[in-house]
Amino acid sequence: EVQVVESGGGLVQSGGSLRLSCAASGFTLSAYAMSWVRQAQGKGLEWVSGISSTGDNTNYADSVKGRFTISRDNSENTLYLQMNSLRAEDTAVYYCAKDREGGIPDYFDNWGQGTLVTVSS
Amino acid sequence: DIQMTQSPSTLSASVGDRVTITCRASQSIGMSLAWYQKKPGKAPKLLIYKASSLEGGVPSRFSGSVSGAEFTLTISSLQPDDFATYYCQQHHTFPLTFGQGTKVEIK
Repeated sequence: EVQVVESGGGLVQSGGSLRLSCAASGFTLSAYAMSWVRQAQGKGLEWVSGISSTGDNTNYADSVKGRFTISRDNSENTLYLQMNSLRAEDTAVYYCAKDREGGIPDYFDNWGQGTLVTVSS
Repeated sequence: DIQMTQSPSTLSASVGDRVTITCRASQSIGMSLAWYQKKPGKAPKLLIYKASSLEGGVPSRFSGSVSGAEFTLTISSLQPDDFATYYCQQHHTFPLTFGQGTKVEIK
C-alpha cells in the first residue's frame, strides 16, 4: 500500500526553524517527484514546494522562497522541508504529496494526513 | 504566477442534483488541470487530472471537461459522500497554484 507519513510539526516562535519529514512506503520514492502543500485553518490549499524525482530540480511558492528548502533522501525513502525564518502566516497543516506521474511535480495521487505547524508571534 | 478562479465559492445542492463547478486560469494552461476533493480533517483526494482523465477508483459520476479557458467539474448525481470542498489546480507552470475552493453544502 502506498503511504506517506509526515512528522516534525509543532509549535515554534516567529523567526524560528522547523524541519518536516515525510516517510514514504509502498512505492519507489526515487521514481516520483514530491511536493509539500499546506492549508491554513479556514483557508484553501497552497502548494509550497516541489522536488523532482532525482532531487536535481526544486521549485517554491513565492511566499516561502528563500526561507524554505525542500530535499529528499531516496536511499532513506524520506522527503524533507526545512523551514527557516518562520512567520505567523506559515501556520498551517502541511501535507506531503506524491506525484502521480513521475519526474517533475505536477498533480498528486497520494497524500499524507498532514502535520500541524503553529508559529507564535 | 497563474491565478486560478473557481466559481461559485459555495454551492447548496440536494442528493441527486447535477452539480457543476467552474475553474478559470489567468493564462493559458492547455489541459494541465487537476481536481481534488477535500473533507475536513482528511487528506485531499485526486479526482481528475489532465482536465478530463478520471483517477482510478473515483466514481464515474465525476467528470471533467474544458471549453476554451474554462474548466468544469461535473457531478452527475450528487451523493451524500460528495458534500465537501473541491479545488482545481494547474500543473502547467511553476509555482503550481490552486483555486480558492468550492464548498458543496447540503441544501
